[in-house]
Amino acid sequence: SYDLSQPASVSVSPGQTATITCSGDNLGDKYVCWYHQKPGQSPELLIYQDFKRPAGIPERFSASNSGNTATLTIRGTQSMDEADYFCQAFDSGTRVFGGGTRLTVL
Amino acid sequence: QGRLVQSGADVKKTGASVKVSCKSSGYTFRDHYLHFVRQAPGQGLEWMGWVNPKSGATNYPQKFKGRVTLTTDTSIDTAYMELRRLTPDDTAVYYCAKEFSSYGDALDLWGPGTRVTVSS
Repeated sequence: SYDLSQPASVSVSPGQTATITCSGDNLGDKYVCWYHQKPGQSPELLIYQDFKRPAGIPERFSASNSGNTATLTIRGTQSMDEADYFCQAFDSGTRVFGGGTRLTVL
Repeated sequence: QGRLVQSGADVKKTGASVKVSCKSSGYTFRDHYLHFVRQAPGQGLEWMGWVNPKSGATNYPQKFKGRVTLTTDTSIDTAYMELRRLTPDDTAVYYCAKEFSSYGDALDLWGPGTRVTVSS
C-alpha cells in the first residue's frame, strides 16, 4: 500500500510562515489535496490538485508538489490556523491520507 | 455548496454491524460520488471507499473489502455505510464527504460525523 508521511507537529509564531510537508514515493507524480481540521470539527478542503485553492480559501494558504514531497505553506499564520492538517493523494483508484500534522501557533 | 446530515451516535458490541446514514441537500445528489472516511480517537483520517449514486458502483480499499458496503437511496438523497464484524478497533467517528470533479475529485463537503463506539 502507498504511505504518506507527515511530521506529527509544527509550531509557528503568530504572523510567521508555517510549512508542513507530506512525503511519499514519487508523490510529485500524483495529485495531492490538503485538508485542515479544527478541534471538534469536520475536515475542510484547503488545496486541490497540488496547489489550487477552492473558493473562499485565503491566498495565504499555498502549496506545491514535486519529487517525493508536497508542501503546504501558510503565510501570516494566525491563531485561528491552529488545527490538524492532512495531506491526501490518489493512488491506483484509491485515496490515501497522511497521518496529519498538528499546527500550534505559539 | 450543500449540506450533509448524518445519523446519530451508536454503540455496538463486538461482532455486530453498524449502518451510518448520510443525507444530502442543496446539490444534485446523483451527480457526485459520496465517500466515507473514518477517524479513530486521536488518530488521522482513513478512507473507506466511495459510492456512485447514479450507478451504484463502489470502490473500497483492500483493508475494508468484504466488511464494508456503501449504498445509496436516490429517492431520498441518502447514502449508507454498513460495517460488519465490528471490533473495538472500529471505534471512530465516521464521516461522509462529497466529491467534486471541478476540484479535481477532492472532497469539498463533509458531514458532521457519526461517533461509533464498539465495546467488548
